[in-house]
Amino acid sequence: AAGVIQSPRHLIKEKRETATLKCYPIPRHDTVYWYQQGPGQDPQFLISFYEKMQSDKGSIPDRFSAQQFSDYHSELNMSSLELGDSALYFCASGETGNSYEQYFGPGTRLTVT
Amino acid sequence: AQSVTQPDIHITVSEGASLELRCNYSYGATPYLFWYVQSPGQGLQLLLKYFSGDTLVQGIKGFEAEFKRSQSSFNLRKPSVHWSDAAEYFCAVGAGNTDKLIFGTGTRLQVFP
Repeated sequence: AAGVIQSPRHLIKEKRETATLKCYPIPRHDTVYWYQQGPGQDPQFLISFYEKMQSDKGSIPDRFSAQQFSDYHSELNMSSLELGDSALYFCASGETGNSYEQYFGPGTRLTVT
Repeated sequence: AQSVTQPDIHITVSEGASLELRCNYSYGATPYLFWYVQSPGQGLQLLLKYFSGDTLVQGIKGFEAEFKRSQSSFNLRKPSVHWSDAAEYFCAVGAGNTDKLIFGTGTRLQVFP
């Protein structure tokens, strides 16, 4: 079965650089969620999109932005990177009417040096 | 606000022994509850979920969980643990009019041969 695809899987950036993470949801899933998991931490919700509109927002820094495109893939843009942004970034997708059931991608490990 | 508590940070069991991982949630109404498993460096895999109905739910890999409203608990169980079950286990709640998941801090399971 198709799963959530995230790219890249690993990313190394320097402080103050920008990064773009991509997420391709499971086919027919119309909702995308982004989570950030710091080292030894639980995943923290960042933002979600339903039918290309932002549906909810968590503790996402103003330096981060995201959007969902017409093909339902999503991109998380991160600017002015800080050391504390080093984390595993998960994308999850879900289907309207299947409340809260989210399927997670393998994650993108971002390292900021 | 919704919250999830996993009281046990680290649990060690012998292979073949039974397992119970604790999860307590805070939410006024009936929540949507999930257990996810994460192997080192990997994504989150959904083990099982509770939305409504039968309070004992079966999941993948031989896991089950029981929803107890009176105790605000959703403990995960497995009658006989395998070495491959060693991983981090996260309990999560999805509730309210948003669709984000709120995770507990996780329980790291170690299995000895």
